[in-house]
Amino acid sequence: AQKVTQAQTEISVVEKEDVTLDCVYETRDTTYYLFWYKQPPSGELVFLIRRNSFDEQNEISGRYSWNFQKSTSSFNFTITASQVVDSAVYFCALSHGSGNTGKLIFGQGTTLQVKP
Amino acid sequence: DADVTQTPRNRITKTGKRIMLECSQTKGHDRMYWYRQDPGLGLRLIYYSFDVKDINKGEISDGYSVSRQAQAKFSLSLESAIPNQTALYFCATSDPSGRENNEQFFGPGTRLTVL
Repeated sequence: AQKVTQAQTEISVVEKEDVTLDCVYETRDTTYYLFWYKQPPSGELVFLIRRNSFDEQNEISGRYSWNFQKSTSSFNFTITASQVVDSAVYFCALSHGSGNTGKLIFGQGTTLQVKP
Repeated sequence: DADVTQTPRNRITKTGKRIMLECSQTKGHDRMYWYRQDPGLGLRLIYYSFDVKDINKGEISDGYSVSRQAQAKFSLSLESAIPNQTALYFCATSDPSGRENNEQFFGPGTRLTVL
């Protein structure tokens, strides 16, 4: 069975601190995709990144970076020098490749509060 | 204009009422999905469709039905709404091929309250 676990329900940091959001996944597929989405207080879902299972390169985009480790089935997300605008709910999600249905399995979400 | 639109954006209804949530997309994708979001549970899949003749149940389809009227339109119905269907509902589309492989594009969400 496929499953995504975001063990951190809520995180609170002070502006300019670095923060890491954890994501652990379970799948028996060898081909799969991992995603991160941001949900600001306005409610919409904002796509942040997609990573396929064959690409373990870490990625950096501005203040955001992602660490994908197949050995530990983790896909963690780090925000460097956090800002108040980073306050949101962040979701990690898994799409399994076999059958290629495209269905997403979401984690429970981590609420990040960045205080000024 | 938004690629994926949902109507209504907010709806308050009463127990037992029938309600339809509508989703339209201009991305030309064949695949469409309905999810619901509950606090602390993330998003869960209700139904998905690969084309107008292919509709599949998701994780939590009980109490819901769907209609794929055209490639661009996918509606979610609650035949007899109940309070525990109060949630935020999202429609999404995807294309399994090409550069957007497996990325899902979400609508803005519909906040439904059942009293």
